[in-house]
Amino acid sequence: SQKIEQNSEALNIQEGKTATLTCNYTNYSPAYLQWYRQDPGRGPVFLLLIRENEKEKRKERLKVTFDTTLKQSLFHITASQPADSATYLCALLNTGFQKLVFGTGTRLLVSP
Amino acid sequence: DAGITQSPRHKVTETGTPVTLRCHQTENHRYMYWYRQDPGHGLRLIHYSYGVKDTDKGEVSDGYSVSRSKTEDFLLTLESATSSQTSVYFCAISEEGDYGYTFGSGTRLTVV
Repeated sequence: SQKIEQNSEALNIQEGKTATLTCNYTNYSPAYLQWYRQDPGRGPVFLLLIRENEKEKRKERLKVTFDTTLKQSLFHITASQPADSATYLCALLNTGFQKLVFGTGTRLLVSP
Repeated sequence: DAGITQSPRHKVTETGTPVTLRCHQTENHRYMYWYRQDPGHGLRLIHYSYGVKDTDKGEVSDGYSVSRSKTEDFLLTLESATSSQTSVYFCAISEEGDYGYTFGSGTRLTVV
């Protein structure tokens, strides 16, 4: 069956450290993968997109990697801040379809 | 969220009653989507639209219908609400191509 898996346990880190979140997928052939941030009571907010032929994408303190052999994407936040505390969702667009499929998200807690 | 609004924000309704949720966009985007978000399931696609009067089913479409008579409006109707449809509903829009989705703020629906 098709699955997108993100760690359901919250990730707790200290301010200033690098947070690394994982997204694994099974039985998909994604054209690209996206990462979103969601705060409580709000809709998800788009952060980054990485295509199947790209290995790495950066935006300010954010970095995303995409390994189609491992079927995995890693999402890094460097120099993390308490304001980065939120739930982070990965989503992929399966080749040939115009619909995103989402993982369940990982909650990140950054302590001062 | 800029360019996309959902109404109502909160609604409590009784089992068996019809309910309509509205999504309105000012971005003139072609694609519109309805998702529901439940603990442990993440965001699941209910229906989507790829143009006026052009809609298709998502993975959890049973019990829901949609209509899009204008580019800017996408309506989600629960013909006869059930308790299993208690959820947070998000509308999203996107342009054609490799772009992130823009989500609304959500509608929290409780069916009692």
